[in-house]
Amino acid sequence: NAGVTQTPKFQVLKTGQSMTLQCAQDMNHEYMSWYRQDPGMGLRLIHYSVGAGITDQGEVPNGYNVSRSTTEDFPLRLLSAAPSQTSVYFCASGAGLPGFYEQYFGPGTRLTVT
Amino acid sequence: DAKTTQPTSMDCAEGRAANLPCNHSTISGNEYVYWYRQIHSQGPQYIIHGLKNNETNEMASLIITEDRKSSTLILPHATLRDTAVYYCIVRVAPSRTGTASKLTFGTGTRLQVTL
Repeated sequence: NAGVTQTPKFQVLKTGQSMTLQCAQDMNHEYMSWYRQDPGMGLRLIHYSVGAGITDQGEVPNGYNVSRSTTEDFPLRLLSAAPSQTSVYFCASGAGLPGFYEQYFGPGTRLTVT
Repeated sequence: DAKTTQPTSMDCAEGRAANLPCNHSTISGNEYVYWYRQIHSQGPQYIIHGLKNNETNEMASLIITEDRKSSTLILPHATLRDTAVYYCIVRVAPSRTGTASKLTFGTGTRLQVTL
């Protein structure tokens, strides 16, 4: 199993550009989520999904969209990048009742918005 | 979800037990205690979780006080590779809707294991 994979590893955007961060898992987990981590801070939940076709907002959803058309993939779209979105983005997936048991995190995407 | 309080940093000598405390005095009966760690720049890694009873797995032990207001994560023989930020998280048991399944990360305890 590859676990949770994220692409790209690094990205630099200009203010106003849009892009999609990719996340995939091969563990057949129903639950997937996106977090952001700013320097020296803990992780904050952006969006999550409890299964294909179902998504919901976390604590910091503004400026981001998600979709879940398959169990495996959970892309995160930045609509119009802003410097405040400079951060490290982590995708996670979990098994059992929605993510109740251990969650597996990807290696992260380091995004800089200039 | 209940708020947690952890020391900002701790040191531990390699080979010794690392005992990481967590205070969660406002925890309610249906909230579980989870521990994750984040090794420099990597994604967080699950360690262990529990409700009332003490738990042990191949990585660590979790000791929860009888009143459940605090807990301690024990790494029995710390190694240099255990240097990381350790997060104590309290969360309710999830429902099928998934609304209770988020992990709320604080700033954690930075554990430095030294020779």
